[in-house]
Amino acid sequence: DAGITQSPRHKVTETGTPVTLRCHQTENHRYMYWYRQDPGHGLRLIHYSYGVKDTDKGEVSDGYSVSRSKTEDFLLTLESATSSQTSVYFCAISSTREAVYEQYFGPGTRLTVT
Amino acid sequence: AQKITQTQPGMFVQEKEAVTLDCTYDTSDQSYGLFWYKQPSSGEMIFLIYQGSYDEQNATEGRYSLNFQKARKSANLVISASQLGDSAMYFCVEEYGNKLVFGAGTILRVKS
Repeated sequence: DAGITQSPRHKVTETGTPVTLRCHQTENHRYMYWYRQDPGHGLRLIHYSYGVKDTDKGEVSDGYSVSRSKTEDFLLTLESATSSQTSVYFCAISSTREAVYEQYFGPGTRLTVT
Repeated sequence: AQKITQTQPGMFVQEKEAVTLDCTYDTSDQSYGLFWYKQPSSGEMIFLIYQGSYDEQNATEGRYSLNFQKARKSANLVISASQLGDSAMYFCVEEYGNKLVFGAGTILRVKS
């Protein structure tokens, strides 16, 4: 599982409140990612990081911000949660092993915005 | 922009038979990778198989093989000898520049 944990695993929050999701990895991978999964869309990239304090936007970044102050932690923040951000959020890391590129995913966080 | 198309929203297969899940991709990049991931009902994302754009041979991993036809931009997943545990959602994915683009997925149901 590449040592990826996500917290919390489940969260219910109200519209307009800030929410922070945490992704933690134990294997010193450089690249980390946040995706959201909604029915009919597969996973869509929100933001990614290619090193400490180095981040970039993905396909669906509006309404989200990220921070990476340590190699092992990648935080996703919803500054003011909206119902459209109800989703399952996956964190991932990427690695290259024996010339094969892989992305490993965390267990996911189910977020409900009421 | 990269786009992955999985035309089969749902598939049924009889246990022990082979099944092919279709995937086409649209990219102008010369260097890219193609993956298949499995997502069972429990929700985790499980890596199955990877094909690099420069790989001339089709990738295989146990019962999984990737039928890579570069000129047609297709990357179909073949599962041989289906098992009940293969029932899940399957995603075709393209990697470009260390980022992934997912298809919408195909739900596979294996019948006993």
